[in-house]
Amino acid sequence: QKEVEQNSGPLSVPEGAIASLNCTYSDRGSQSFFWYRQYSGKSPELIMSIYSNGDKEDGRFTAQLNKASQYVSLLIRDSQPSDSATYLCAAPGGDDYKLSFGAGTTVTVRA
Amino acid sequence: DAGVTQSPTHLIKTRGQHVTLRCSPISGHKSVSWYQQVLGQGPQFIFQYYEKEERGRGNFPDRFSARQFPNYSSELNVNALLLGDSALYLCASSLWAGDTEAFFGQGTRLTVV
Repeated sequence: QKEVEQNSGPLSVPEGAIASLNCTYSDRGSQSFFWYRQYSGKSPELIMSIYSNGDKEDGRFTAQLNKASQYVSLLIRDSQPSDSATYLCAAPGGDDYKLSFGAGTTVTVRA
Repeated sequence: DAGVTQSPTHLIKTRGQHVTLRCSPISGHKSVSWYQQVLGQGPQFIFQYYEKEERGRGNFPDRFSARQFPNYSSELNVNALLLGDSALYLCASSLWAGDTEAFFGQGTRLTVV
């Protein structure tokens, strides 16, 4: 079982819609979770960190964490063409503080 | 403030050669981690260094090595390059070894021919 898994993409949404991305993790001891945005040919950029159950909002982005179900999600409201990118979910894996990443979900926002 | 800086940004090497990649963390950050990202996959952990000590190592062969300097900058070395080593190599900076919030540099695109 992979440590972090993301629902398969790609995801295509019209401009102004909500994009919903999901991620599950295997380590019940994980305490922190991250969403990175990666534009094609670029490096990952940290856009959201979440540590507690519930929702965390930052602008048009909302991260949701459910530790009991071991899933974390990212909602992008009022999607813009500039949101077109691959979104990576990450969580600590093991006790050496590495981050384990999902394979990513590619989002395309149609104008 | 400067973010994480990596050099070079692009590199082309021949099979069997050796390569050194460099990284300077965010000012005040003492932990540096290295990741390899091949096309279509998420980054894979290679090493973490903190206070010049190796704190973690991923599932990579001994051809991969790294070190951290007193100024917290770091080098990743890969010997006897294989075609499969072609990837984006990412350096991540965090405050300390237990801080999982990591910020990435722009990466080094390595192509082995």
